Amino acid sequence: KAGVTQTPRYLIKTRGQQVTLSCSPISGHRSVSWYQQTPGQGLQFLFEYFSETQRNKGNFPGRFSGRQFSNSRSEMNVSTLELGDSALYLCASRFRQGGGTEAFFGQGTRLTVV
Amino acid sequence: AQTVTQSQPEMSVQEAETVTLSCTYDTSESDYYLFWYKQPPSRQMILVIRQEAYKQQNATENRFSVNFQKAAKSFSLKISDSQLGDAAMYFCAYLLQGAQKLVFGQGTRLTINP
Repeated sequence: KAGVTQTPRYLIKTRGQQVTLSCSPISGHRSVSWYQQTPGQGLQFLFEYFSETQRNKGNFPGRFSGRQFSNSRSEMNVSTLELGDSALYLCASRFRQGGGTEAFFGQGTRLTVV
Repeated sequence: AQTVTQSQPEMSVQEAETVTLSCTYDTSESDYYLFWYKQPPSRQMILVIRQEAYKQQNATENRFSVNFQKAAKSFSLKISDSQLGDAAMYFCAYLLQGAQKLVFGQGTRLTINP
């Protein structure tokens, strides 16, 4: 069974640009969550999608958005990039919401904003 | 809001010895889950062990075990017979029952000395 796949693995963008990151969950998993990891703030929850609907959102500005497709693949978009958006973005998939089901993580996308 | 605290930014242990990583959390809820995740240099978060709050028995997975003290809100991870492959960042995480958001501690970097 293939794991969670995130593309691209690395990205370098310029301030003011926008970026789209992709996450393909484990087959059969319908819940996809996104996390931002930085040395200063640690791991912070961005949002979660389940059945193509955003179910929960973290405390991030509106520049951060996402969506989920009918095949459960998810994309995350960041517009008007700032230097502080440089981070490792991790995606996690779960079979279903709630119940403490295990979250399986991808290897992340390392975004560098210059 | 729930918080997770890992008071040891770094730990080191000799190969084959035992090490304990500390984690405390703050919540007013009674039904939740606790996890330890490992993040090696490959950056992929890997679940090490999980504990349901309603279970009094401490979880065990091979060389990994936890000491869950619900009243004290403490959740430590014990690694026995440490191996070089155990070297990684370890994150303690909390998940409220029915919620989608994992709340992570700041992590403990574990070094294994040969």
